[in-house]
Amino acid sequence: AQSVAQPEDQVNVAEGNPLTVKCTYSVSGNPYLFWYVQYPNRGLQFLLKYITGDNLVKGSYGFEAEFNKSQTSFHLKKPSALVSDSALYFCAVRDRMDSNYQLIWGAGTKLIIKP
Amino acid sequence: ETGVTQSPTHLIKTRGQQVTLRCSSQSGHNTVSWYQQALGQGPQFIFQYYREEENGRGNFPPRFSGLQFPNYSSELNVNALELDDSALYLCASSLALAAYNEQFFGPGTRLTVL
Repeated sequence: AQSVAQPEDQVNVAEGNPLTVKCTYSVSGNPYLFWYVQYPNRGLQFLLKYITGDNLVKGSYGFEAEFNKSQTSFHLKKPSALVSDSALYFCAVRDRMDSNYQLIWGAGTKLIIKP
Repeated sequence: ETGVTQSPTHLIKTRGQQVTLRCSSQSGHNTVSWYQQALGQGPQFIFQYYREEENGRGNFPPRFSGLQFPNYSSELNVNALELDDSALYLCASSLALAAYNEQFFGPGTRLTVL
């Protein structure tokens, strides 16, 4: 079965420090990979995606993510965290051969940035 | 550019009733997806519409149905409501039918079934 795992329910980081939010996946084919962020009382917002090519992709608000095919991971990173980065982060995967176009989501990781 | 809008914001129904949720896609987007997000969980894919036809469906029973209109707006209908249907329902639109396209989400409709 296809699945996405975000092993940490919560990640705590001091402002100015680097942050990493982890994501691993199990998809039968080659995946498209996405990160979304959800702020309180607001909808999900797209951050970045991996389609093909360079394993390091850059996205909105200074975030980036590294695709590792051998480890089936797509970890979200940022060199220097801001308090405003505090939110709920979701990793999502779509098998590019899935005719159902189903997007499989992780359970989310709550990121808390402390001043 | 108008973003994705959903109505109503909140809804309270009783078990066995029927509900219709509405979504207006972002300008220029012809593909709409619906998701159910239970508290503390990630979204679960319900189905996707492209050019007024359902072209993808997740693991949801037939009492979850939908429509897409010529202006690409969409409805989600749920019949015979159950307590477990209580959740945040999210609508998302994307530009064209392509698996690599990102989706743009509305703020959601919070459905409570009593």
